[in-house]
Amino acid sequence: GNSVTQMEGPVTLSEEAFLTINCTYTATGYPSLFWYVQYPGEGLQLLLKATKADDKGSNKGFEATYRKETTSFHLEKGSVQVSDSAVYFCALGMAGGGADGLTFGKGTHLIIQP
Amino acid sequence: KAGVTQTPRYLIKTRGQQVTLSCSPISGHRSVSWYQQTPGQGLQFLFEYFSETQRNKGNFPGRFSGRQFSNSRSEMNVSTLELGDSALYLCASRREINEKLFFGSGTQLSVL
Repeated sequence: GNSVTQMEGPVTLSEEAFLTINCTYTATGYPSLFWYVQYPGEGLQLLLKATKADDKGSNKGFEATYRKETTSFHLEKGSVQVSDSAVYFCALGMAGGGADGLTFGKGTHLIIQP
Repeated sequence: KAGVTQTPRYLIKTRGQQVTLSCSPISGHRSVSWYQQTPGQGLQFLFEYFSETQRNKGNFPGRFSGRQFSNSRSEMNVSTLELGDSALYLCASRREINEKLFFGSGTQLSVL
């Protein structure tokens, strides 16, 4: 079946530091890849996505590139802010919605200190 | 435009009871999905409804069921509650399959 593996953290960084959260996946077929963010007490919000190999998703300074050869979709940001503190989820979904909905990683808790 | 609304926000039940959770999707969205979020298992897909029909189902026991009404609102029911059912239950809607999912804030269920 499909699966997503990501570092669980917590990851603690200082403001303006460079961020990388690793995400790798296994899937049959050609999935779309997503990063979701969850702020305390809220539901998930789509941060960015990529639908095919070599696509780069970007939003709010965050970027991730769909790497088929390494089955990875690492999230990066050049300079993090305190407001980026949240839980980040990597996910994959198959075309047509798939039989299993979205498959999520366990989530990475990011803490940014001033 | 109102977002995905889930009620109630918090719920406390005891083992053996049953519970019904409600989800109102964004206006115009025909698909509603349900996910269970726990610290140990993370986010797991329960099921998805589209135009009142169950499209997909995750790997959960038959105690977990759902339905969708003609106005796209959805309910999820869990019967014979177990301690392990304690979780945050998230609902997500989208206009069509393959479109972006919008999540609600969830219902936090505690089973004592």
